[in-house]
Amino acid sequence: NAGVTQTPKFQVLKTGQSMTLQCAQDMNHNSMYWYRQDPGMGLRLIYYSASEGTTDKGEVPNGYNVSRLNKREFSLRLESAAPSQTSVYFCASSEETSFFITDTQYFGPGTRLTVL
Amino acid sequence: AQKITQTQPGMFVQEKEAVTLDCTYDTSDPSYGLFWYKQPSSGEMIFLIYQGSYDQQNATEGRYSLNFQKARKSANLVISASQLGDSAMYFCAMREGDEGGSEKLVFGKGTKLTVNP
Repeated sequence: NAGVTQTPKFQVLKTGQSMTLQCAQDMNHNSMYWYRQDPGMGLRLIYYSASEGTTDKGEVPNGYNVSRLNKREFSLRLESAAPSQTSVYFCASSEETSFFITDTQYFGPGTRLTVL
Repeated sequence: AQKITQTQPGMFVQEKEAVTLDCTYDTSDPSYGLFWYKQPSSGEMIFLIYQGSYDQQNATEGRYSLNFQKARKSANLVISASQLGDSAMYFCAMREGDEGGSEKLVFGKGTKLTVNP
């Protein structure tokens, strides 16, 4: 039981390049999330998916797209990377489809992305 | 206004002593959940403890306990008998609403705890 896995762990891009961050969970969770963590900012929600086939914008969605490929996998795509997207990206999952206050989110190990 | 405030950017504690990490929150929703996460230097986010707004008792998980003072809107994390492995960033987070509630966790900016031998 690996929990939430993310690939790659590190990535360096040049401005304008594109890439996809992969996330998978093996806990049979319904909801999945993408966050970014910037120094002194805590974590901020980019996109989320309450169930297979649905995605919604979070707090900071500009410059990103997502795909909920199936129940296990949720990918984040940067179409044209910008230096402002240099950050650590975390994927998370939680059991529920409705956002009960008790629904704990479990995080992956993160992807450290640098855009030059 | 910030929803989660962690006023201690850094804290130091001696090994085997107890330490309290502060967290205050701001919400008008009567239904909310409060979470604490640990982020060691390796970077992963580890869930530690949860407290619901309707819970009558303070949450405990091993050496972690949550000092929940609802009227003061505070949810401080208490770590007893600190260990060197407790050195990490600690984040307080809140989720608002129950039926059809909020999809997101709102995080504070974190407190860096250093445990000295």
